[in-house]
Amino acid sequence: KAGVTQTPRYLIKTRGQQVTLSCSPISGHRSVSWYQQTPGQGLQFLFEYFSETQRNKGNFPGRFSGRQFSNSRSEMNVSTLELGDSALYLCASSFGGEDTQYFGPGTRLTVL
Amino acid sequence: AQSVTQLGSHVSVSEGALVLLRCNYSSSVPPYLFWYVQYPNQGLQLLLKYTTGATLVKGINGFEAEFKKSETSFHLTKPSAHMSDAAEYFCAVSGAPNSKLTFGKGITLSVRP
Repeated sequence: KAGVTQTPRYLIKTRGQQVTLSCSPISGHRSVSWYQQTPGQGLQFLFEYFSETQRNKGNFPGRFSGRQFSNSRSEMNVSTLELGDSALYLCASSFGGEDTQYFGPGTRLTVL
Repeated sequence: AQSVTQLGSHVSVSEGALVLLRCNYSSSVPPYLFWYVQYPNQGLQLLLKYTTGATLVKGINGFEAEFKKSETSFHLTKPSAHMSDAAEYFCAVSGAPNSKLTFGKGITLSVRP
């Protein structure tokens, strides 16, 4: 079974731009969570989607948003990029009723 | 609310030596505990997890961890380190099945030849 895939793997943007990251979960998984990883703050939870509905949300500004499609694929959008948004963005999927999240390789976003 | 404390940011051991990575948690509800490993430029890979039942949990690559409720700890051990174990290790806690994970700051493990 294929793992979690994230595209693109690397992105370079400038301040003020917006960006969309994509995550395809493991087949059959209905829950997708997003995390931000930075050297200073470590791994922080952004939000979780289950069956196209946001089920949980972390403490990030409204510039960070997401959605999930009927095939469970998820996208994350960051608007008005700031330098501090430079990070590795990790997506994780799970079946929905289980407690194990499986992570993708991440998208490394650099904001210049 | 949950939190995780991983003391120290770096551990160095010799190849063949015992690996011990410490993790203490705080949780207002019965915790679900996890250890993940991250290799450079990669995502997180699950090593092992504790949900309920047996408190000694065995994972992949020879790692194991013991849930000690009285000490609020979930330390990760491996009897004999291998060069390939060099990576960053994260302890995480959640408060319910499929709930959000709260991670510790991570510990970088170095293995000396």
